Amino acid sequence: DAGVIQSPRHEVTEMGQEVTLRCKPISGHDYLFWYRQTMMRGLELLIYFNNNVPIDDSGMPEDRFSAKMPNASFSTLKIQPSEPRDSAVYFCASSLSYRGSYEQYFGPGTRLTVT
Amino acid sequence: AQSVTQLDSHVSVSEGTPVLLRCNYSSSYSPSLFWYVQHPNKGLQLLLKYTSAATLVKGINGFEAEFKKSETSFHLTKPSAHMSDAAEYFCVVRPRDDKIIFGKGTRLHILP
Repeated sequence: DAGVIQSPRHEVTEMGQEVTLRCKPISGHDYLFWYRQTMMRGLELLIYFNNNVPIDDSGMPEDRFSAKMPNASFSTLKIQPSEPRDSAVYFCASSLSYRGSYEQYFGPGTRLTVT
Repeated sequence: AQSVTQLDSHVSVSEGTPVLLRCNYSSSYSPSLFWYVQHPNKGLQLLLKYTSAATLVKGINGFEAEFKKSETSFHLTKPSAHMSDAAEYFCVVRPRDDKIIFGKGTRLHILP
């Protein structure tokens, strides 16, 4: 298996622009997670899906952030409009089961820089 | 409340000496426990996991961790550090009925 795939790997954009991050989970995994990592705040869970349905989005920082999972093999995280404080590395992860011992598999991340 | 505490934000050891990264957790139930490693500019990779079987868990790259319920600890160890072990390590708690919780991470430095 190719593992969790994220694109783009790097994104540089100007403040106010829309940013879309993409994720392809491991085939057969029914949970998908979006995380944000910064030096100041560490690793934060933004939102997670089960069978394409958003279960908990309490970690989404504000309305500028939205996430979708139109099918089992694709998810997007969108920021509109972007701000410099959104600069971070965004990780996508997938797992077979959330409640239990099944570990999460992480993608390589997307490094977002908003100028 | 469920929580996980990594007691050291940075640990430095010399190459060839033992590694100890400390993790304490708080959970109402017997949780699943994990250690992940993150090398620079990479995603997180699972090192090992505890799921209520053997209390001493062996992982990849010579790492192991021991679950001690009485101490609510899950410390990560390795007998002999290698330069390639330099990375950030995350202790993770997955309580039975709650959200997964990541520790704040311990950055391991290996001195030549």
